[in-house]
Parts: sequence; structure tokens; C-alpha cells
Amino acid sequence: KQEVTQIPAALSVPEGENLVLNCSFTDSAIYNLQWFRQDPGKGLTSLLLIQSSQREQTSGRLNASLDKSSGRSTLYIAASQPGDSATYLCAPENQGGKLIFGQGTELSVKP
Amino acid sequence: DAGVIQSPRHEVTEMGQEVTLRCKPISGHNSLFWYRQTMMRGLELLIYFNNNVPIDDSGMPEDRFSAKMPNASFSTLKIQPSEPRDSAVYFCASSSRRTNEKLFFGSGTQLSVL
Repeated sequence: KQEVTQIPAALSVPEGENLVLNCSFTDSAIYNLQWFRQDPGKGLTSLLLIQSSQREQTSGRLNASLDKSSGRSTLYIAASQPGDSATYLCAPENQGGKLIFGQGTELSVKP
Repeated sequence: DAGVIQSPRHEVTEMGQEVTLRCKPISGHNSLFWYRQTMMRGLELLIYFNNNVPIDDSGMPEDRFSAKMPNASFSTLKIQPSEPRDSAVYFCASSSRRTNEKLFFGSGTQLSVL
């Protein structure tokens, strides 16, 4: 059974800092891994998808890496802004199409 | 495309009543997921479908919960009878595994069972 852990659970930083959010998963036989953002009271938005054969994906100030063999992924946010404040969740997908989510990291970026 | 559409946005009902949540996935997507989110347990996968066929319903908490997908453009999640512990936000999401696309979520249904 896939278990997903995200560290830290919460993070508060001043604007402009570079951040690293961590995700670990117990079953490395994954098809891909996605990072999502959730704003309070809203649904989730997929930010990045890394296929199992890839090492990283980049979108603007976001960079996600994947080390499948060790069961780890990181989300790097460069030059953080108050608008980045949200909860960030990772979700590995298995070969059968099942996505399991971590509990998320609640990020607060102070102006 | 309008995205994944869920209805109703909010549902308040009394214990013992039947509740039906509805979802319209993005056109062309062949995978559909139902998730439940609470503060205590986070985001839990209840059931998912590929090509309208249920693949894994191991997350459905009890026989009170049932889900159907009669065609590629519509799915329902039914709770009968409802209980206060079912109160949560229920999300529907869809994707296209054929093209390894991202998962797209609806806005969710906030369910309160009194």
C-alpha cells in the first residue's frame, strides 16, 4: 500500500526566499508523480507532472525533481511571493492509474 | 472546456437521508476519480474509473457509499443513509491516461450531515 509523507507540514517564510518542499513515498513502482496546489476552499490544481523516466520538470519559478529509486521528490520554489501561499500536495500515480496524496505542506509567504 | 463540473456546491442534509453528488468530467478524459477531504484524514481516494469501469473501490468506506459512471460524461456518488461522520468536501477529478495528462479537479461539494 502506497504511503506518502510530506515534510514540513507547515512553512512560513519572508517574501523572496527560495524554498524546498519534500515528498517521500513507500512504493517506488510509480507511473508518474504530480505536485498540486490547493488554495483555501478551492479544488486542487496540478502544477507539474514528472513521468517515471524523467528526473525533473520546470514551470516558471517551480522545479520538481524525482528520485524514483529512493522514493523521493522535491518541489523547489524560487524567489517566493505572497501569491505562492497555499497548500502544496504531492501525489505519485501507480501503474494502474491510482493517485495517492500526501497530507500537504501549508506554505505562508509574508510580504 | 469548462473543466470538471460538480454539483451541488454545498449540500446540507439530515442524518439518514440519501445524498447524491454529481460530476461531469472533462470531455475526452477516460479516467475519473472521487476523493474525500477532511482535516483529520486529508485527501482520500474513494473510487476511480477507467473507461467508465470501476477499477478500484477499496477506498469506499462502507456499503452506504456507491458510485456509478453510466457513460463517459457523467458520474454519481451516492450515500444512503448519510451519517454526520460523512461530512467532508467531496472532489471529482478526471484525466486522460492515454496522453499521460495531469489530473484536473472540480471545485468540490461541501457536504454537511446534521
